[in-house]
Amino acid sequence: KNQVEQSPQSLIILEGKNCTLQCNYTVSPFSNLRWYKQDTGRGPVSLTIMTFSENTKSNGRYTATLDADTKQSSLHITASQLSDSASYICVVTDSRDSNYQLIWGAGTKLIIKP
Amino acid sequence: NAGVTQTPKFQVLKTGQSMTLQCAQDMNHNSMYWYRQDPGMGLRLIYYSASEGTTDKGEVPNGYNVSRLNKREFSLRLESAAPSQTSVYFCASSPGQGTDTQYFGPGTRLTVL
Repeated sequence: KNQVEQSPQSLIILEGKNCTLQCNYTVSPFSNLRWYKQDTGRGPVSLTIMTFSENTKSNGRYTATLDADTKQSSLHITASQLSDSASYICVVTDSRDSNYQLIWGAGTKLIIKP
Repeated sequence: NAGVTQTPKFQVLKTGQSMTLQCAQDMNHNSMYWYRQDPGMGLRLIYYSASEGTTDKGEVPNGYNVSRLNKREFSLRLESAAPSQTSVYFCASSPGQGTDTQYFGPGTRLTVL
């Protein structure tokens, strides 16, 4: 079964520090991998999208990397801010499915403490 | 632009009651989706509509029905609510299917007693 696994489940860091969130997937082949940010009580918002041929994609202080050989992706947050407190979800698009089904990870809950 | 709006924000039902969750988007998107989100799990697709006039089942369609009323609106109906349907429901839309980015509404938190 296609899966997307994220680690850690939760993470607490101090404001200003950097952190890296991990995503391992078994979806193959896939057309793209996205990272979404979900604030508490809100819907997910897309942060980055990478195709299988891309290695890295940045969006401000967020940098996503992709290693299609090892089927791993990471999201690096630089100089964290209180507003970064949220869940971060890795999503892989299964290109075998003619409807391009999205396979969602369970997310990493990130808490930034002042 | 409001983006994707959902009503209601919160709802409590008794087992066996019915209700309809409403969703509307003002981005002129062709595709719309209904997901449920449960603790510790990824979002799961209930139904989607690739374009006006079409609907298809997702991963977990049992117990639900949908209506694509027009290009803007996509409703989700629970005919006979069960405690297993307690969840947060999200509506989303995208310009097309496939690899297009999906834009989400704020969600409806549903509790079935």
